Amino acid sequence: NAGVMQNPRHLVRRRGQEARLRCSPMKGHSHVYWYRQLPEEGLKFMVYLQKENIIDESGMPKERFSAEFPKEGPSILRIQQVVRGDSAAYFCASSPLDVTAINTEAFFGQGTRLTVV
Amino acid sequence: DQQVKQNSPSLSVQEGRISILNCDYTNSMFDYFLWYKKYPAEGPTFLISISSIKDKNEDGRFTVFLNKSAKHLSLHIVPSQPGDSAVYFCAVRGADGLTFGKGTHLIIQP
Repeated sequence: NAGVMQNPRHLVRRRGQEARLRCSPMKGHSHVYWYRQLPEEGLKFMVYLQKENIIDESGMPKERFSAEFPKEGPSILRIQQVVRGDSAAYFCASSPLDVTAINTEAFFGQGTRLTVV
Repeated sequence: DQQVKQNSPSLSVQEGRISILNCDYTNSMFDYFLWYKKYPAEGPTFLISISSIKDKNEDGRFTVFLNKSAKHLSLHIVPSQPGDSAVYFCAVRGADGLTFGKGTHLIIQP
């Protein structure tokens, strides 16, 4: 049973380009969470998705950032017109159930390190 | 305003001794508490958790203690081993999901 898979592991983008980060949850997990870790910071919640639905996007910047989790395929975190401040490690986690509803933990992928040059 | 605080950015412990990592939280409504361990360039991995109805949970060398009145959580590692060198994140679960602290970098010295 493969863990949470994120790709690419490293992504370099020039300012103004688009970044697409992919996350395939663990088998049987339908709940996906995206976190961002800035240098010297902890993990900041961005968005919580279930299949085809955004449940909570309170941590997402209002502009340029979007996320989806289609019925088929991985969850995608999309950052349009990237700026230097978007450089960070982006982690995806998945869980079999809503992590707020029952005693379950989220399992993390290895992350995508985005560098904006 | 930080809901979860790990006040020690780093901690150095001699191999074989006890490592104690601390975490303070602000909201008494949090009902589930977790510790994650993270190596460089890897994602966090779940380590141990505790429900608010308990005050202690033990798993091998790892024990988590919960003091609800003080809103304080701690992770004890006994004995500490070189492979324990990593960043440890405390996380709390509330209505908004998981909230993480900034992490404590544990360094185990030989």
